[in-house]
Amino acid sequence: GAGVSQTPSNKVTEKGKYVELRCDPISGHTALYWYRQSLGQGPEFLIYFQGTGAADDSGLPNDRFFAVRPEGSVSTLKIQRTERGDSAVYLCASSPPGQGYTEAFFGQGTRLTVV
Amino acid sequence: AQTVTQSQPEMSVQEAETVTLSCTYDTSESDYYLFWYKQPPSRQMILVIRQEAYKQQNATENRFSVNFQKAAKSFSLKISDSQLGDAAMYFCAYRSASNFGNEKLTFGTGTRLTIIP
Repeated sequence: GAGVSQTPSNKVTEKGKYVELRCDPISGHTALYWYRQSLGQGPEFLIYFQGTGAADDSGLPNDRFFAVRPEGSVSTLKIQRTERGDSAVYLCASSPPGQGYTEAFFGQGTRLTVV
Repeated sequence: AQTVTQSQPEMSVQEAETVTLSCTYDTSESDYYLFWYKQPPSRQMILVIRQEAYKQQNATENRFSVNFQKAAKSFSLKISDSQLGDAAMYFCAYRSASNFGNEKLTFGTGTRLTIIP
């Protein structure tokens, strides 16, 4: 498809388990962002990739959260030892290269539920 | 750090009427972008309208327009001729214009808009 694709759409996991969330950006988009949206809140920035490197990971809440983008395209957000407080919608966005303003395009998110 | 505040958790409007959603923000920067995003139940964030801080003219996109008051740090969204398809969560968002490539957004807490037929 032409848009940002996130899989799975929904994920239920048990407390303490490890999960991986996948984001497939729009082809050619060099910038990729992960956000977390807790219930009743706006999305909060987690991490930004420019190409393969994490250029800004200041939003990751703790060392249980990690993200990779090994080939500069698909990204995986990894959460270790999940806690109930990790339950949220995880949104991914990508934007093309360019000078000045470039629009970010969002996927439909992964709803993570930790039980 | 920048903050974005939306003080209206919920709003409702009759179909075909006009509604205004409020947003205030705080920043020490002079160059930035402001956005309104729509989030329907599908969860995908859809860009409604964008305003560049250096532009004095308020942005307009068809039935959507903004009232940008830079000195007051206020950025409201006006939806004219409301339609049933406008029902959604609306988020105000801020982005620095000086981070050269890092286009991370700071969002408000959202306003749920209901359209009454």
